[in-house]
Amino acid sequence: DIQMTQSPPSLSASVGDRVTITCQASQDINNYLNWYQQKPGKAPKLLIFDAANLETGVPSRFSGIGSGTHFTLTISSLQPEDIATYYCQQYDSLRYTFGQGTKLEIK
Amino acid sequence: QVQLVQSGAEVRKPGSSVKVSCSASGGDFSNFVIGWMRQAPDEEPEWMGGIIPLLGVTNYAQSLQGRVTISADRSTSTSYMELRSLTSEDTAVYYCAKQGSAGAFDIWGQGTMVTVSS
Repeated sequence: DIQMTQSPPSLSASVGDRVTITCQASQDINNYLNWYQQKPGKAPKLLIFDAANLETGVPSRFSGIGSGTHFTLTISSLQPEDIATYYCQQYDSLRYTFGQGTKLEIK
Repeated sequence: QVQLVQSGAEVRKPGSSVKVSCSASGGDFSNFVIGWMRQAPDEEPEWMGGIIPLLGVTNYAQSLQGRVTISADRSTSTSYMELRSLTSEDTAVYYCAKQGSAGAFDIWGQGTMVTVSS
């Protein structure tokens, strides 16, 4: 199975900061990479699909880029409501795996 | 819009089984691809398997093959996930989700806590 390595595991940033989270796949997954936000006690929420497409209703400060094995999620200006854990997820050959997550905190 | 509503929390003893339901509303259930994930405390979600209700075709994670069965009832727009031979390591929140583009899960149920304890 394809492994997803996400970094950093945790991140502390200030409101207004630009924040970047990376995800590395163990093999080429084309653009089949998705990003989720999860707040405590809630289900994951889809932010970005197909590496770079913003899900309807998601603020434009979220963006994604990448292809092949290397992908990034960027929050252009961190807001207090962005405090959450973020996961990448790949889809290849009817198999799906999630990264280990990045816990984002306010400094 | 599409909503997925799951059944309530369950407590089971080791060696038993559990069946969780996921009822869809607001869309054409038959044309969905439904995935099931679970998430142990402080862990990432783990994909367990999925089903295409229109075709009745299922697909399971290799790690759970033989212990999990996913089914769907088109007449009630409900999917089910049954997990057998439970151990404490199966304690987790179980989610159903609808699959959209690029294998992304765009609509999620609220989650069902399953606790396995003697």
